[in-house]
Amino acid sequence: KNQVEQSPQSLIILEGKNCTLQCNYTVSPFSNLRWYKQDTGRGPVSLTIMTFSENTKSNGRYTATLDADTKQSSLHITASQLSDSASYICVVIRRGGNNRKLIWGLGTSLAVNP
Amino acid sequence: NAGVTQTPKFQVLKTGQSMTLQCAQDMNHEYMSWYRQDPGMGLRLIHYSVGAGITDQGEVPNGYNVSRSTTEDFPLRLLSAAPSQTSVYFCASSYLTSGSGYNEQFFGPGTRLTVL
Repeated sequence: KNQVEQSPQSLIILEGKNCTLQCNYTVSPFSNLRWYKQDTGRGPVSLTIMTFSENTKSNGRYTATLDADTKQSSLHITASQLSDSASYICVVIRRGGNNRKLIWGLGTSLAVNP
Repeated sequence: NAGVTQTPKFQVLKTGQSMTLQCAQDMNHEYMSWYRQDPGMGLRLIHYSVGAGITDQGEVPNGYNVSRSTTEDFPLRLLSAAPSQTSVYFCASSYLTSGSGYNEQFFGPGTRLTVL
């Protein structure tokens, strides 16, 4: 069964600290993996898109890693800011299906406290 | 560019009522889709369209209709609202590719719907 599992479910950190969010998937065949940030009451916004051959991709203070062999991805947030408080959702796309074959995770809810 | 816009932002319906959720994009994207987001569940695809005049069902299409008369607009119709349709609805758009599905999706701000 195609699934995307994220951990932890929720996380609280202090402003300025780093954190890492995890994503494990069983989706096959694999096309690419995306991380989205969703602020409360808003739609998801894309942070990174990673293909099979990419191990690391950065977007400012966000760095995503992908291990296609173990089917794991992580999102590392450096020097967290209050504005990083949001839900972070991992999405895996099955090969051959364009955007209609997205398998969504449930997200990690991150709270950054002052 | 306004990106993807949705109206209304909030709506309360009574069981059995019908309504249309509006979605528009100004990026000339071929692909548009509707999702619903419920607590404890990932986003689920309701309907999608790969271009004007072409629509297809997603994962949870029952109780919803769509049409795509123009590239810009993709309204979602609730035919007879039920409490199970209480949810947050997101419209999204992207350029269309075949194969890898590499194109980034842009989401609207969402419509929060409550059916009593």
